[in-house]
Amino acid sequence: QSVLTQPPSASGTPGQRVTISCFGSSSNIARNTVNWYQQLPGTAPKLLMYNNNQRPSGVPDRFSGSKSGTSASLAISGLQSEDEADYYCAAWDDRLNGHVVFGGGTKLTVL
Amino acid sequence: EVQLLESGGGLVQPGGSLRLSCAASGFTFSSYAMSWVRQAPGKGLEWVSTIRSGSGRTYYADSVKGRFTISRDNSKNTLYVQMNSLRAEDTAVYYCAKPITTSGVGDLDAYDIWGQGTMVTVSS
Repeated sequence: QSVLTQPPSASGTPGQRVTISCFGSSSNIARNTVNWYQQLPGTAPKLLMYNNNQRPSGVPDRFSGSKSGTSASLAISGLQSEDEADYYCAAWDDRLNGHVVFGGGTKLTVL
Repeated sequence: EVQLLESGGGLVQPGGSLRLSCAASGFTFSSYAMSWVRQAPGKGLEWVSTIRSGSGRTYYADSVKGRFTISRDNSKNTLYVQMNSLRAEDTAVYYCAKPITTSGVGDLDAYDIWGQGTMVTVSS
């Protein structure tokens, strides 16, 4: 069971806007920044968002992130077929000397 | 080109040991904290361990604490993880990962560069 909670699945049609949520606690999301990763089948994860809402170079502005209290969300607008992937949230957790916690992942299907 | 290349994976019996290596190139390895993240077959991502750059301070997931040791050789631009007392539940693809920044927000946990991964299978 993951420390951060994500819905196991999400879906949308091309052009739609979808949102993926990530719920944590006072020791992780509330105190630290949230990062989001995209993982296409058979490939290594890719950093999609860091510091809650910052996009690394090369990530389209269709992707946006936000955080409020103990939860965060990733929004994808103008959904495209190539967005079909697994999405993971992650954050530093201050308990137990400090460690990184991941969400269980959300499988996004483009219908 | 910034690159991470893991090696050392393979099949090992329960209770056995394995050392993974991650060769880094294209960036100033000594300036970055480095991490290992694993993914069991068909499962999600699980953070394993992180080692800071300057102090060498280490952090471990509870699931590997006391069994795994992360280390680095800055002269060789290489990250290691020594894995002892391996269990079936350690079976996974192991990735090494570099953070997007050397200091400040994200310096321990926002991984912008990942290796291709190396598979570790613990089975008799």
